[in-house]
Amino acid sequence: EIVMTQTPLSSAVTLGQPASISCKSSQSLVHSDGNTYLSWLHQRPGQPPRLLIYKISNRFSGVPDRFSGSGAGTDFTLKINRVEAEDVGVYYCMQATRFPITFGQGTRLEIK
Amino acid sequence: VQLVESGGGLVEPGGSLRLSCAASGFTFSNGWMTWVRQAPGKGLEWVGRIKSEADGGATDYAAAVKGRFTISRDDSQDTLYLQMNTLKTEDTAVYYCIKVGSSGGFDFWGQGTLVRVSS
Repeated sequence: EIVMTQTPLSSAVTLGQPASISCKSSQSLVHSDGNTYLSWLHQRPGQPPRLLIYKISNRFSGVPDRFSGSGAGTDFTLKINRVEAEDVGVYYCMQATRFPITFGQGTRLEIK
Repeated sequence: VQLVESGGGLVEPGGSLRLSCAASGFTFSNGWMTWVRQAPGKGLEWVGRIKSEADGGATDYAAAVKGRFTISRDDSQDTLYLQMNTLKTEDTAVYYCIKVGSSGGFDFWGQGTLVRVSS
């Protein structure tokens, strides 16, 4: 099983300031088809998660461009270039390259 | 896209429950679907996946539920199912029904249904 490790586990950010979350996988996430199935999800309190980023760096429909994803192999990063109040909640990275599909532990983002 | 789960509730250990997920807003028969669960106050755990019938309809499961849970689909009713047998207290969670995008991302999530396993 691929283990996904996120850091930090919590972060308090001032509105308008940037935030960054790291996600490291225990194995390369490059699939045999050449794609890397690394996604980022955001869960607001009391809500289901929603997809932000897929295949490392592709923003899902409707996701603001202040969110960006980067990385390769085993190291990935989600960046928010100017945090807004609606960005609070828990962020998860997820790999779907190999079964079982696994998630990071989650990173809680709060406003300072 | 709308996904509406139902069928959750309180069940005793060793019991069974069947969850349903009514899908709309997309061509359900073409969609790969997955279930993810979230124990109270915890993170996300993948439960299993079913491919479209056109892609063979194969299922895959997490080790924790393999042999106890079964995912199925009724494309004529645009409905996804999760049959859960021999339930354990550690199966207590909100269960989410999710559409898998062509990119492999989990692109649409239902609101979830709570399953509580307790005596």
